[in-house]
Amino acid sequence: AQSVSQHNHHVILSEAASLELGCNYSYGGTVNLFWYVQYPGQHLQLLLKYFSGDPLVKGIKGFEAEFIKSKFSFNLRKPSVQWSDTAEYFCAVGGGADGLTFGKGTHLIIQP
Amino acid sequence: EAGVAQSPRYKIIEKRQSVAFWCNPISGHATLYWYQQILGQGPKLLIQFQNNGVVDDSQLPKDRFSAERLKGVDSTLKIQPAKLEDSAVYLCASSLWGASGANVLTFGAGSRLTVL
Repeated sequence: AQSVSQHNHHVILSEAASLELGCNYSYGGTVNLFWYVQYPGQHLQLLLKYFSGDPLVKGIKGFEAEFIKSKFSFNLRKPSVQWSDTAEYFCAVGGGADGLTFGKGTHLIIQP
Repeated sequence: EAGVAQSPRYKIIEKRQSVAFWCNPISGHATLYWYQQILGQGPKLLIQFQNNGVVDDSQLPKDRFSAERLKGVDSTLKIQPAKLEDSAVYLCASSLWGASGANVLTFGAGSRLTVL
């Protein structure tokens, strides 16, 4: 069965700090990996995705993630966070046309 | 393009009552999903439709939950009778069918259910 583990449930950073959110997954087969974000009062939206090719993928708003197959990881990074990055971040895994399995999420708070 | 539409946005019911949620996916999206998101947790897949056929309903509590997607477009999720633990946000999502679009889900705003 597929599963996703997000290491940090709550993260508090100051503006301009660097961010890395951990995500490990378990999936039997070719895997597609995603990060979704939910800003306060808004619906879930896609931040970035990995299907194949370059393991370093770039998404919206300066976010990037690196797929490390040997570690079953897909960590999210941003070199300098902004107050507007305050949100809930979800890592998700799926294959083919399967529905996605989500992690429990990381609540990120950026202090001005 | 118009997004995924859901209604109602909020619903409060007492336990043992019934409730129904409606979803209209993005036009042309063949795949539709219902997720349950309990406070403090990630979304959990309840059911996946491909057009009007069920692809995966392995995590749907079939004794009380039901879902249908008539004509391969709109979908309805019903809970009858509701339990306290059904309090959650019910998310609808849709995606294109095919390698280029499969798996990239677009979510609606969700329907928040409170069971008293």
